Amino acid sequence: DGGITQSPKYLFRKEGQNVTLSCEQNLNHDAMYWYRQDPGQGLRLIYYSQIVNDFQKGDIAEGYSVSREKKESFPLTVTSAQKNPTAFYLCASSSGTSGRWEQYFGPGTRLTVT
Amino acid sequence: EDQVTQSPEALRLQEGESSSLNCSYTVSGLRGLFWYRQDPGKGPEFLFTLYSAGEEKEKERLKATLTKKESFLHITAPKPEDSATYLCAVLGLQGAQKLVFGQGTRLTINP
Repeated sequence: DGGITQSPKYLFRKEGQNVTLSCEQNLNHDAMYWYRQDPGQGLRLIYYSQIVNDFQKGDIAEGYSVSREKKESFPLTVTSAQKNPTAFYLCASSSGTSGRWEQYFGPGTRLTVT
Repeated sequence: EDQVTQSPEALRLQEGESSSLNCSYTVSGLRGLFWYRQDPGKGPEFLFTLYSAGEEKEKERLKATLTKKESFLHITAPKPEDSATYLCAVLGLQGAQKLVFGQGTRLTINP
């Protein structure tokens, strides 16, 4: 079954700790994305990567970091510098080729920081 | 700057009562408009891509249409299992591959 997996589904951390969220895809997609979703605010883009070993900041990148060492994997680290890290985090991927721009999403990770 | 506005924010219907959701957009040249369905606590599920004005796509009780300024998601004779939040997103010419999402419409179908 092709798809996107995110782990864990729920994550709890104390303030001041860094935490890494996993995202893996077996769709052979070139592009991968991280979004944050807060109640009433829709999806906001954190980082995206169109190719291995390259990534760009999205609209709300402060306090986050990513890496793209493999085509299949795009982990997101939420650092202690992120002021309001509690949110629902969504990973997505797309083919990246012309005319195939639709993004497919993983099941999400709900992060709670106290 | 590309923008997407969805209306209404929330909509309650009786089972079988047809209606439409609206997605208004401004974009610097449209490469695609996308509709997603999202159930509580889950990731969005891709429904449709529309590329140009006049285009229509259907899936079961859902039909998406596109004009130069807005898109409609028509729901015909909905069932309770159609209850979800419906998200609209656009991809413009200047956005690399960055989708811009609306806030969503929360649809509830009462039996």
